[in-house]
Amino acid sequence: SQQGEEDPQALSIQEGENATMNCSYKTSINNLQWYRQNSGRGLVHLILIRSNEREKHSGRLRVTLDTSKKSSSLLITASRAADTASYFCASDQGGSEKLVFGKGTKLTVNP
Amino acid sequence: SAVISQKPSRDICQRGTSLTIQCQVDSQVTMMFWYRQQPGQSLTLIATANQGSEATYESGFVIDKFPISRPNLTFSTLTVSNMSPEDSSIYLCSVDSGFSNQPQHFGDGTRLSIL
Repeated sequence: SQQGEEDPQALSIQEGENATMNCSYKTSINNLQWYRQNSGRGLVHLILIRSNEREKHSGRLRVTLDTSKKSSSLLITASRAADTASYFCASDQGGSEKLVFGKGTKLTVNP
Repeated sequence: SAVISQKPSRDICQRGTSLTIQCQVDSQVTMMFWYRQQPGQSLTLIATANQGSEATYESGFVIDKFPISRPNLTFSTLTVSNMSPEDSSIYLCSVDSGFSNQPQHFGDGTRLSIL
């Protein structure tokens, strides 16, 4: 399977700042999911956005989806040190249950 | 969402040996998957664990190296056989409800190091 791209690969910000991560994918999708991974542990599901949705919010998280560009973004507002983690997008390849993961963004939030 | 228990959480093994990783879900699920995450990399799907039939492997992964069992709708195992240092990775299981547009959930992973 071909992985999507994410940028930036690494992002370092100060507490209170916003963090934006971008993701691109290659095939048509039914939905795209964002996950967080703390220090090599399991993945925590953050948000699922459907292909007919353009924007979705959950607390301090905002996800956008542009199917014409095959891209998505994750915005974390008012970041905290506890947000330090790697963030991955995963697309479902046209409705298959199989997920194709992006390369991930390693976010560091400095106190 | 389903609660997924994965065991062991980590292990250090000698090359040439095999290790079986278990994934237990607290409810019946249609789909179970096994992923590998090599150091500093993203996740790559190894195979889909099919209940009552042979697993479906992705390109680059073979049954002899990664045999998988799925005896029922709540349990699966992945064996990493004849291990070499290149197999040092995090192995994760995930579950999917099978319903459209529902999130896939992951276990905490097994961190495997081969000496």
